[in-house]
Amino acid sequence: EVQLLESGGGLEQPGGSLRLSCAASGFSFSSYAMNWVRQAPGKGLEWVSGISGSGGSTYYADSVKGRFTISRDNSKNTQHLQMNSLRAEDTAVYYCAKKTRGTNWYFDLWGRGTLVTVSS
Amino acid sequence: DIQMTQSPSSLSASVGDRVTITCRASQGISNSLAWYQQKAGKAPKLLLYGASRLESGVPSRFSGSGSGTDYTLTISSLQPEDFATYYCQQYYSTPWTFGQGTKVEIK
Repeated sequence: EVQLLESGGGLEQPGGSLRLSCAASGFSFSSYAMNWVRQAPGKGLEWVSGISGSGGSTYYADSVKGRFTISRDNSKNTQHLQMNSLRAEDTAVYYCAKKTRGTNWYFDLWGRGTLVTVSS
Repeated sequence: DIQMTQSPSSLSASVGDRVTITCRASQGISNSLAWYQQKAGKAPKLLLYGASRLESGVPSRFSGSGSGTDYTLTISSLQPEDFATYYCQQYYSTPWTFGQGTKVEIK
């Protein structure tokens, strides 16, 4: 079955760190760029970060640049999001999303999400 | 960054109604537009890409059109399973940005 499964969310204090993971199955993981998209409670979608299939290129939204780091392990079909210096505004459901084949950055497969809450 | 503005923010409609949602980009995006459907508590689902191309498995009652800065999503005959929030997303230039969403509710 083609699917993405996120893990690693939870409650963290402001200034703290969390590491999210996304396990992929059912497709050739290394052939596709992967992304993280978040959704704050009751709000819309915000693209956070992306990584090329090889892992050689990474991309970030300005809101997380310098604080978050995306990575992937193609031998384990997983991607990660290391989140440091967390802020209250980082509170959201974080979705793992697969980019479609080719050069266009839209997302044809999403995970169910993992909730990150930043609060003291 | 390219700003995406959807209208309306919400609408009420009945089963069988024709529904149209508009998405306007702050600059031309050359049909680099996708539409997603999100049901409460669920992940988004891709409906269309390239402004008008239907994703595999998506019912044909969904259609998209537009060019330049203005795009529309149309549901030709609303079904009970279509009550959800719809988002547009531009992939013309990074950062990839979404509209704020349009919630389609039961009238």
